[in-house]
Amino acid sequence: EDKVVQSPLSLVVHEGDTVTLNCSYEVTNFRSLLWYKQEKKAPTFLFMLTSSGIEKKSGRLSSILDKKELFSILNITATQTGDSAVYLCAVEQGGSEKLVFGKGTKLTVNP
Amino acid sequence: NAGVTQTPKFRVLKTGQSMTLLCAQDMNHEYMYWYRQDPGMGLRLIHYSVGEGTTAKGEVPDGYNVSRLKKQNFLLGLESAAPSQTSVYFCASSPVGSSYEQYFGPGTRLTVT
Repeated sequence: EDKVVQSPLSLVVHEGDTVTLNCSYEVTNFRSLLWYKQEKKAPTFLFMLTSSGIEKKSGRLSSILDKKELFSILNITATQTGDSAVYLCAVEQGGSEKLVFGKGTKLTVNP
Repeated sequence: NAGVTQTPKFRVLKTGQSMTLLCAQDMNHEYMYWYRQDPGMGLRLIHYSVGEGTTAKGEVPDGYNVSRLKKQNFLLGLESAAPSQTSVYFCASSPVGSSYEQYFGPGTRLTVT
């Protein structure tokens, strides 16, 4: 059965801390891994990763994929209260029109 | 462009009642999806469609039906609502061959009492 597992499920940090969110997967015919940020409403796209070892960066956020060990991490440096959200990991499978989502990591950044 | 819109935003139903959730997109996307999100459960796919007139089951299809009579609209129906269907429902759409590029609607919060 295809699955995507995120850890931790929740995390509370102080502003300025650095956090690492994990996503491991077991899916057939892997094509890409995606990270989304979900605040109050709809998820918004952060990164798409297809190749191992190539870091994607956007400001204080970065992500990398390891296709050998079947996982990805999302790093957030110098966290701010605005980073508080649920971060979702999803995997796209080749030949499928669907995404498989993990349960998400709820990040709370306290001032 | 409005993107993906959902109607209604909130709804309270009694057990056994029926309702239809409407999703509309103006991006000319071929693929459309219905998800439900429960606390601590991420997004779970209910049904999806790869084109007008076609639908397919997702991970949790029981208790729901869908129709895609027009390319821009994707309807999700609950024939006999149950408390277990209390959830937030998200619709999404994506271009053909790009299921990774999903654009989400704002969600519908449904409570079944």
